[in-house]
This record gives sequence, C-alpha cells and structure tokens, in this order.
Amino acid sequence: DAGITQSPRHKVTETGTPVTLRCHQTENHRYMYWYRQDPGHGLRLIHYSYGVKDTDKGEVSDGYSVSRSKTEDFLLTLESATSSQTSVYFCAISRQGANTGELFFGEGSRLTVL
Amino acid sequence: AQSVTQLDSQVPVFEEAPVELRCNYSSSVSVYLFWYVQYPNQGLQLLLKYLSGSTLVKGINGFEAEFNKSQTSFHLRKPSVHISDTAEYFCAVSEYRIQGAQKLVFGQGTRLTINP
Repeated sequence: DAGITQSPRHKVTETGTPVTLRCHQTENHRYMYWYRQDPGHGLRLIHYSYGVKDTDKGEVSDGYSVSRSKTEDFLLTLESATSSQTSVYFCAISRQGANTGELFFGEGSRLTVL
Repeated sequence: AQSVTQLDSQVPVFEEAPVELRCNYSSSVSVYLFWYVQYPNQGLQLLLKYLSGSTLVKGINGFEAEFNKSQTSFHLRKPSVHISDTAEYFCAVSEYRIQGAQKLVFGQGTRLTINP
C-alpha cells in the first residue's frame, strides 16, 4: 500500500462544468502523476509533478490543469469538462531514492461527462 | 520517445493451460520494462520488472517475462493459469534515468480471460 487516496471515486457531471480530482498521499513522495485510462489506449500521462508548485505536461495535457500547493496533494482540474474526458483517472507516485521507474497507483476516479 | 505495442487485445485460455502475452517496444535509449496487472475495479499493481542483468525476470503469482533486446520484446508467460489470473495486463516502458520523474509509457492492454 503506497498510501494514495483519490477522491471522488466516481463522478457524473455535465459538459461545460468544472471538475477537480484530488490525489492525496501520506508518504511524502516528491513525484506524483496523473494518468487517464481508456479502452484501446492503455494509460496515458496527463501531467506530473516533481515538487511543490513544480509541474509539467505529459502526453495528453490539453484541457487539463494541475496544482500542487503542498507535498501530499496533487489536484487535476478540468476547467470545462467535455465528453471526450469521460475516463478513469489514476494518480500515481514514484518513490524517492528508487530510480527504477516503478509507479504505485491509486484506486482510480471514474468520471462520466454527459 | 518510447512506445509500446501489445499484440493481442484479448487472450482467452482454459484453466491450467500455459499463456503468453506479447509486448514489443521501441526506444532509442536504454529502458526499464514492466508488466502491471489490473483486476476489475482496481488500480494497477506491479507484476514484474526488468531493470538490468538476467533477461529472465520472475514476478508474483508465478508469472515470468523475458527481455529480448534484439527483438525489442518483453513477453509475459505463465506455465499454468488459474481462474484468479483473469485481469487486464499492461506492458510499460520507462526511459532509463538516474534521477527525476519516471514517466511510464503503457501499451494498450491485454485482457486475459481464464475459462474453466
């Protein structure tokens, strides 16, 4: 257990509304990531963070923003949700001092945009 | 940039039969390779990983994978599957780096279904 909690776990919203997903970790890891999972695409990196207020874009960052104001929380925001953002979103961390590429994942947040 | 191709989207097998899930990758630099498993309605958990050294890697639940650099493959195998192995399996690659963010690139996934 890597101490990762995602909230909400399920959300249904309407097109055009803002949505924020939260990832909370309890182990003070420096690196945090947001992925989305879609059938036929596997998981794709949206954004990642390498410290407080330090973030960078991933492969599919358009339409998403992130913030990290404290070590334990990494927020993913959809400013104006679209149906193409219906997906399962996973937060992950990588452990400091273990530069092996291994990620530890949360349980996922299922978002449906109507 | 790296990319990963999982050659089968679905693999049905009978219980106690052997299985191989195929994965090919492309990269211009040295990489780490991973197999993750996802059970229904859960997150991903690591099955096994190749970092360096022996090309045959053993993981949890009786799975193993072989790294083949010349064929750029990392196929996953199990000699005898169980109903509980029913899940989706993801191959992933990460650029070798001494420090920094570990950005994994995932394949499309293979859904393994075990039939009694």
